[in-house]
Amino acid sequence: DAGITQSPRHKVTETGTPVTLRCHQTENHRYMYWYRQDPGHGLRLIHYSYGVKDTDKGEVSDGYSVSRSKTEDFLLTLESATSSQTSVYFCAIRDMGLRWDYGYTFGSGTRLTVV
Amino acid sequence: AQSVTQLDSQVPVFEEAPVELRCNYSSSVSVYLFWYVQYPNQGLQLLLKYLSGSTLVKGINGFEAEFNKSQTSFHLRKPSVHISDTAEYFCAARTQGGSEKLVFGKGTKLTVNP
Repeated sequence: DAGITQSPRHKVTETGTPVTLRCHQTENHRYMYWYRQDPGHGLRLIHYSYGVKDTDKGEVSDGYSVSRSKTEDFLLTLESATSSQTSVYFCAIRDMGLRWDYGYTFGSGTRLTVV
Repeated sequence: AQSVTQLDSQVPVFEEAPVELRCNYSSSVSVYLFWYVQYPNQGLQLLLKYLSGSTLVKGINGFEAEFNKSQTSFHLRKPSVHISDTAEYFCAARTQGGSEKLVFGKGTKLTVNP
């Protein structure tokens, strides 16, 4: 178990409010990712991080920002939530070292509803 | 840019029957390939991955997949399914030596009927 914790697990928020989702890992992995999952779309990458303060955009980054001030925490912020951001959000880490690559491990997800 | 196509959105089968879930990828460079499973209301669990070496990859729960470079495919197979295999399955790809982005297909919902 890569020790990934997402919080909150569920959230209902109103349109126009800011929302921050947290992903916490305990094993010092360099790469962390935020995906959203929607029916018929699979998982789509929002943002990812390759180190403290190093982040890059994914395919659906509009309306989202991220921050990584510590190795263990990767925060996803919806600056002004919209109904189209209602989704299930997954955090992932890439479990790798010099001689191995175990691929990507996912957290349990955050179900966000914007009303 | 790379992309992943899962050719079937839904696959119904009877228990103990064989199943194949199809996945094709598009990339101008070599890729690493993955299959994940998602049970209802749960996160994603890695089934198997192809990084290099043998093109036949065995994973958990009796699943296997074969990497076919000429056909740019990575189909998932199981010779005999159980009711408990009912889940959504996702194929994913990442380019070698380049972007760290893992790109997913849209998923195939496997339903195993008694």
